[in-house]
This record gives sequence, structure tokens and C-alpha cells, in this order.
Amino acid sequence: AQTVTQSQPEMSVQEAETVTLSCTYDTSENNYYLFWYKQPPSRQMILVIRQEAYKQQNATENRFSVNFQKAAKSFSLKISDSQLGDTAMYFCAFMNPLLNTPLVFGKGTRLSVIA
Amino acid sequence: DTEVTQTPKHLVMGMTNKKSLKCEQHMGHRAMYWYKQKAKKPPELMFVYSYEKLSINESVPSRFSPECPNSSLLNLHLHALQPEDSALYLCASSQGRLDTDTQYFGPGTRLTVL
Repeated sequence: AQTVTQSQPEMSVQEAETVTLSCTYDTSENNYYLFWYKQPPSRQMILVIRQEAYKQQNATENRFSVNFQKAAKSFSLKISDSQLGDTAMYFCAFMNPLLNTPLVFGKGTRLSVIA
Repeated sequence: DTEVTQTPKHLVMGMTNKKSLKCEQHMGHRAMYWYKQKAKKPPELMFVYSYEKLSINESVPSRFSPECPNSSLLNLHLHALQPEDSALYLCASSQGRLDTDTQYFGPGTRLTVL
């Protein structure tokens, strides 16, 4: 069974600084997808970034980028130039598309951006 | 457009009530999901509909009854709930294709069972 581990329950960062959220996963599969979702307080969960395991290039979306280390089974999220609106729960998630298995979520990291 | 809508936003019900949650998407997605989320926890999958057929039921109690009337609409019928069922109920949808299956979430219905 696949598992996703987020080892940082809470983190904080100063506005305009850079922060990295860690995520590791365990799988015996070679083809899979990884996701970072953001859930602001009392607001909707939105997709931040998605990475296909077969792609060597790390995904980026504006201020958000990932460091995908397939051999180490690591998928960290870097947020550059942190903004107050980045304050949220961040969930790392794994999916094996060939087995059509549900998303497997990590326990989440609560990020606070401090002015 | 990646919008999934859910109604109502908030729902308070007694343990003997019957109520329904509604979820709608107009992205042409063919897979729809119900999740339950407790505070500060990740979402827990409840049901998956694929092409309007129930494909996954994660051993959810029968007091929760899903329904998928068409490819755009997903309901969750609630009956004889318990206080521990109070949670945020999230709906999500995805294309349903094996090669590209990102889930998009709705804003959720916050349910309180008295």
C-alpha cells in the first residue's frame, strides 16, 4: 500500500521569504502522480502543483516549485516570496493512475506566513 | 473553468432528520467523489462514482447514501446521523481518464449533527 508522510505538522515563514515543505512517499510502482493541495482556513482546497513521475523536470507554477527526487521518494514544495495569502494547510497526495486507486493524502502541514 | 459547486454551505440537523448534500460540476468530468474531512485532518474518501456508477465505497455506514443522477450531479443523502458525523463534506471531480486524473474540489458543506 502507498503511504505519504509529511513530517512537519506546522511551519511558519516571514512574508517575502522562502519556505520548503517536505513530503516523502512509499510505493513500489514506477508510474504515478504526485500533488500538492492548499486549503486556506475555511476556504476551498485548491490544486497547487502536479508532478508526473515519468517526468524528470520539476514542476513549477509561478512562486511554487517542487523538488522531485524519485529515487529518494521525496517530493518537497518550495514557496518563494511568501505572501500572507499562502497561509493554509498544505496536503501532499499520491495517486497511481494505472491502478485507478484513490488519492492518498499526507497528514498535512499547517503553514503560517507572518507579516 | 475548474469549478465544483456544493450546496448548502452549512447544514445543521438532528439525529432523526433526513437531509441531502448536492454537488455539481460542468467540466465534463466523468468521475465524482465524496470525502469527509475532520478539522486539521486530511480528507477521507467515502465514495467514488465513475461514469455514473458507484465504483468505490470505503465501507461507509448505510446512514450515508450516495446518488449520481447524471454525469454532472452528485448527491449525498443523510439519515439518522450521529454527532460524530459532524465534519466538512467535500465533493471532487476528475476527468476519469487513467492518464490524466487530477481531482478538483468543491468548497464543501459544513455539517453539524446535534
